[in-house]
Amino acid sequence: DGGITQSPKYLFRKEGQNVTLSCEQNLNHDAMYWYRQDPGQGLRLIYYSQIVNDFQKGDIAEGYSVSREKKESFPLTVTSAQKNPTAFYLCASSINMAWETNTGELFFGEGSRLTVL
Amino acid sequence: DAKTTQPNSMESNEEEPVHLPCNHSTISGTDYIHWYRQLPSQGPEYVIHGLTSNVNNRMASLAIAEDRKSSTLILHRATLRDAAVYYCILRDMDSNYQLIWGAGTKLIIKP
Repeated sequence: DGGITQSPKYLFRKEGQNVTLSCEQNLNHDAMYWYRQDPGQGLRLIYYSQIVNDFQKGDIAEGYSVSREKKESFPLTVTSAQKNPTAFYLCASSINMAWETNTGELFFGEGSRLTVL
Repeated sequence: DAKTTQPNSMESNEEEPVHLPCNHSTISGTDYIHWYRQLPSQGPEYVIHGLTSNVNNRMASLAIAEDRKSSTLILHRATLRDAAVYYCILRDMDSNYQLIWGAGTKLIIKP
């Protein structure tokens, strides 16, 4: 079945370590996104990518990095520069970001929960 | 900042209709209204969206006020599986068409 796969589901990290969260989609979507969610809060956009080899900062990009070398993959690295990385991370995709051709429905993965020890 | 206002939580009885309100008084003429829901420890799931007219799908109905400053998500017959956080979101052209997420409404279904 088509969908978005995030891994790992749970991840523990020591302070000072970089970690990479995987996101793979087989929906043939052009656009992909990374969100962060803190307890009791809505989603905040970290990075997004409209096409391969292109990505843009979202509202809270500091301390994070991404790459988009393949259409199917959009990994997120949480670096040691991120001061408070413990959170629930969600990857999403959409057909594209063209306002004229679609209404922006997002498809989400099941999330990765990162805990810094 | 989120451009929608929703109650923090609501309760409803199982097998009864549920009306989830959302205020978006600053909506622009081309903003779509989206609803998503999120079950605990899962990613959000698309529910429905609309622009001006009321919309129906297999999951829910969306009633949009004539002035578009508010909308209501209607679950016609709530089940325990509908217990989730429901987000009302505008697709914001000013933010490169990104969705701006608020804290949503936590829907509690009582058996």
